[in-house]
Amino acid sequence: GNSVTQMEGPVTLSEEAFLTINCTYTATGYPSLFWYVQYPGEGLQLLLKATKADDKGSNKGFEATYRKETTSFHLEKGSVQVSDSAVYFCALRENTGGFKTIFGAGTRLFVKA
Amino acid sequence: DTAVSQTPKYLVTQMGNDKSIKCEQNLGHDTMYWYKQDSKKFLKIMFSYNNKELIINETVPNRFSPKSPDKAHLNLHINSLELGDSAVYFCASSQGDRVSGNTIYFGEGSWLTVV
Repeated sequence: GNSVTQMEGPVTLSEEAFLTINCTYTATGYPSLFWYVQYPGEGLQLLLKATKADDKGSNKGFEATYRKETTSFHLEKGSVQVSDSAVYFCALRENTGGFKTIFGAGTRLFVKA
Repeated sequence: DTAVSQTPKYLVTQMGNDKSIKCEQNLGHDTMYWYKQDSKKFLKIMFSYNNKELIINETVPNRFSPKSPDKAHLNLHINSLELGDSAVYFCASSQGDRVSGNTIYFGEGSWLTVV
């Protein structure tokens, strides 16, 4: 079945460091790919998405590129802030069959001042 | 205005009790979901409704029963609560059941603790 694998956390960085959170997927067809973010005590919210190969999603300084050849959708940010501390979820949305959204296990990010 | 709202936010109850969590969305979406998030933040879908019709029913004990009185509401009733039911339950919605690329909008979660 379809699945999403993302790097285990927690990831601890100092402010202004470069961030990469790896995400790879297994899917039939051409799913849409997402990054969601969950701040402490809140629900998940969409951070960015890409709906086809080579698309780049971007928002709030975060970027991720849909790489079909490597089945990856790694999240990057050039300079993190303390306020970026959260749990980040990679997800795919099937475009056939059940059209389910499948989430990765989440990666907790701590950013130190 | 909160797009997806769920109540209560916190619920502490004893084993064996029956409880309900209510959810409402004002986004005009036709699809609603219940997700369960465990203590390790793993998120698992439980149910999905499209236009009040159940379309996803994952392997969930039948003590859990969703009810959708209309497109804007999806409530979750849990019978005979067990310690393992302690988790955060998220309601969510999206537009379009058979649409790739649609975003899911989440509520703030209901923290259920069974003692």
